[in-house]
Amino acid sequence: QQQVKQSPQSLIVQKGGIPIINCAYENTAFDYFPWYQQFPGKGPALLIAIRPDVSEKKEGRFTISFNKSAKQFSLHIMDSQPGDSATYFCAASKDGNEKLTFGTGTRLTIIP
Amino acid sequence: DADVTQTPRNRITKTGKRIMLECSQTKGHDRMYWYRQDPGLGLRLIYYSFDVKDINKGEISDGYSVSRQAQAKFSLSLESAIPNQTALYFCATSDPGGSGRNYNEQFFGPGTRLTVL
Repeated sequence: QQQVKQSPQSLIVQKGGIPIINCAYENTAFDYFPWYQQFPGKGPALLIAIRPDVSEKKEGRFTISFNKSAKQFSLHIMDSQPGDSATYFCAASKDGNEKLTFGTGTRLTIIP
Repeated sequence: DADVTQTPRNRITKTGKRIMLECSQTKGHDRMYWYRQDPGLGLRLIYYSFDVKDINKGEISDGYSVSRQAQAKFSLSLESAIPNQTALYFCATSDPGGSGRNYNEQFFGPGTRLTVL
């Protein structure tokens, strides 16, 4: 049972474009939604996270948009760079303190 | 940054062999996790431990076992490896008290690539 559905599976964007990765969840008890970034040969690392009491969170060029009624959240990367090429995972958990349920991942490629 | 280390980094083994993957951390975190990563399936939780005396099954624990030898060490065993256990395995730690940027940030090791022939 896939509790967090992520799309697209892969994405190619030109440098400077704005890639958008979407996630949808089913469990309304989820209240913590992080995004992890993984470079080849490395473990995932936390990129940015949001709680459902806000609809948007920005950290540098990365923005999470959150739609509680639709049970969806998305990651936007402004002014994308080739160095942003990585696999991105959305995730969710209850209480912010429990184990994470990850999406299936999006392989992002930024071409010069 | 070698706060979470995994050994071995790569392993090739044969069907039916017992294999152990080891994870050590110097972050002082109580919580540790084992995940496997498969293309198109993302990261799936195998087992997790919230302290030395606590072991919990994740979503795909069949065919795996774990041992929490100390706060800093969490090992994953495949008692009788099979080809569909070929995957990338990650150990992670977290501190609900919030030593990371977010209070449930998970810190991942570099991974172990396991191939079962």
